[in-house]
Amino acid sequence: GAVVSQHPSWVICKSGTSVKIECRSLDFQATTMFWYRQFPKQSLMLMATSNEGSKATYEQGVEKDKFLINHASLTLSTLTVTSAHPEDSSFYICSADYGTINYGYTFGSGTRLTVV
Amino acid sequence: SQELEQSPQSLIVQEGKNLTINCTSSKTLYGLYWYKQKYGEGLIFLMMLQKGGEEKSHEKITAKLDEKKQQSSLHITASQPSHAGIYLCGADKTSGTYKYIFGTGTRLKVLA
Repeated sequence: GAVVSQHPSWVICKSGTSVKIECRSLDFQATTMFWYRQFPKQSLMLMATSNEGSKATYEQGVEKDKFLINHASLTLSTLTVTSAHPEDSSFYICSADYGTINYGYTFGSGTRLTVV
Repeated sequence: SQELEQSPQSLIVQEGKNLTINCTSSKTLYGLYWYKQKYGEGLIFLMMLQKGGEEKSHEKITAKLDEKKQQSSLHITASQPSHAGIYLCGADKTSGTYKYIFGTGTRLKVLA
């Protein structure tokens, strides 16, 4: 089956620094990848849609200058949290759209970000 | 308001009991997905429903999509502790654009 690798699985950073999260599609090319964040005991919230070779589409209320998304190839999308603050601490998950019924949307294992 | 409503929000059942989780939308859906998640981990894809009236089963889990494609149910037969977790429904909001939304989630606990 399709596998999406997300790295790192957890990260702790100081306020004001930037953190990059990688999402790799290991077996298949993914034209579209999605980035979500999840707060404890809440459902996932879509942050942005990442399209290879073009600018990401951000959901309302998500700061594009704070959450930089780069989808430079068909197998890699990155999310950079810039000038992180404690309120950015959350669980971030990516998913890849393979466009087939069999795989649905395959998700990464997630990244737990803690900003201190 | 939440576009996909799930019920119940939480559920505690005795091992061996059957249970049902519902996912309801006020609008027609263009693909309904069921996932299972343990908190802090990635979602596990369970199954996808696209056609009105469609029903799919995998092991002891059965999912159905109603004819209007506005409501789906997930039924677990003879629940086991391994079924515990958060169940999420997700849907394609519009056809062909992969605008994706999630339900509110149902937290399931199975008592041994």
